[in-house]
Amino acid sequence: DSGVTQTPKHLITATGQRVTLRCSPRSGDLSVYWYQQSLDQGLQFLIQYYNGEERAKGNILERFSAQQFPDLHSELNLSSLELGDSALYFCASSSRAGATNEKLFFGSGTQLSVL
Amino acid sequence: GIQVEQSPPDLILQEGANSTLRCNFSDSVNNLQWFHQNPWGQLINLFYIPSGTKQNGRLSATTVATERYSLLYISSSQTTDSGVYFCAVKGFYTGKLIFGQGTTLQVKP
Repeated sequence: DSGVTQTPKHLITATGQRVTLRCSPRSGDLSVYWYQQSLDQGLQFLIQYYNGEERAKGNILERFSAQQFPDLHSELNLSSLELGDSALYFCASSSRAGATNEKLFFGSGTQLSVL
Repeated sequence: GIQVEQSPPDLILQEGANSTLRCNFSDSVNNLQWFHQNPWGQLINLFYIPSGTKQNGRLSATTVATERYSLLYISSSQTTDSGVYFCAVKGFYTGKLIFGQGTTLQVKP
């Protein structure tokens, strides 16, 4: 158990809908990362937050947004869902954001299926 | 950005065999990690190894930063080693960890 909690584990929804994925980092970790894993694109970095502030942005679509709350949990919001958004979404946390020896610990992921 | 290439893409072994997985990267890095994604999808951090050699039980890893590659050795493989092994790197000028496409390992009993 990595200590990173993601909910829900599975999510099935329809095209055009909006969903929210939730992540609780390891105790004491200030940094949260979101990754998308699909068969054709592999593991793609979406966005990083550190202590409530956006730190880095990757290949995140405009239909997607995220935030990190004062209690450090994070939410990834996906809207106007398309079939191609079906993927495994991972959250990871670390305690040393930006440090060269930063290690990431991943949650078990949320499997999103858009029908 | 940095390109990460892993080889081989797929590997099938008999239980007890040894294997070497390779990760090549296109630019200097200050962070390199190996992960194992088990058949249930969980990503587990195996090594943080931007340079040098580390060992953990039957697994060991070596990174030669000057030649831009890293190797993951699995000895006496077991069926529980099956899954996908990812190499991920972070360059000096980027804050994000970039993942390779992975090596899918199947260990047969």
